[in-house]
Amino acid sequence: DTGVSQDPRHKITKRGQNVTFRCDPISEHNRLYWYRQTLGQGPEFLTYFQNEAQLEKSRLLSDRFSAERPKGSFSTLEIQRTEQGDSAMYLCASSLGHLQETQYFGPGTRLLVL
Amino acid sequence: GIQVEQSPPDLILQEGANSTLRCNFSDSVNNLQWFHQNPWGQLINLFYIPSGTKQNGRLSATTVATERYSLLYISSSQTTDSGVYFCAVERPGNNRLAFGKGNQVVVIP
Repeated sequence: DTGVSQDPRHKITKRGQNVTFRCDPISEHNRLYWYRQTLGQGPEFLTYFQNEAQLEKSRLLSDRFSAERPKGSFSTLEIQRTEQGDSAMYLCASSLGHLQETQYFGPGTRLLVL
Repeated sequence: GIQVEQSPPDLILQEGANSTLRCNFSDSVNNLQWFHQNPWGQLINLFYIPSGTKQNGRLSATTVATERYSLLYISSSQTTDSGVYFCAVERPGNNRLAFGKGNQVVVIP
């Protein structure tokens, strides 16, 4: 069990550019979550996958955001036409599911949009 | 959505002191987790405790689900306990954690 991993750990981009983040969950974890955390706040839910199916999306997830989990393993989160307000820590978590609901978080990707 | 309130927002402790952090939530939950966020932003799992009491070393937690609150106890605090502690809850069928704003704890030697 190597834990949840995320890549990259840091990303600096210019406004208007597209960025993509990757999350590798704990192996055999069926559920995968994305959260966003801004300075001084707790993480906020963005979206959730059960295997490869995206089952829920927050209203925070505008149409510039898209997430995939094509084979039910790793997931990607893409932000198109980034804005300065997208600057935040993007956190990925996974859980086993099947009534084992503990969520385990990765180290996060810190995004800065200039 | 469910409201999660943590108190106190900020706490300064002398090394060796004990403290209690509180989490109130506004609805029934089937998942409650306490996390410690380190200076690099990593959320470290402390407890999964939708009800009852658990202990892990110098830390213990109690959740009284019927009264919608949870407490995290830190005993004999050390400087490495510094950081932000988050309480997060999940409503039945909701498949997401809702976080409080955290308790910022600073332990001074």
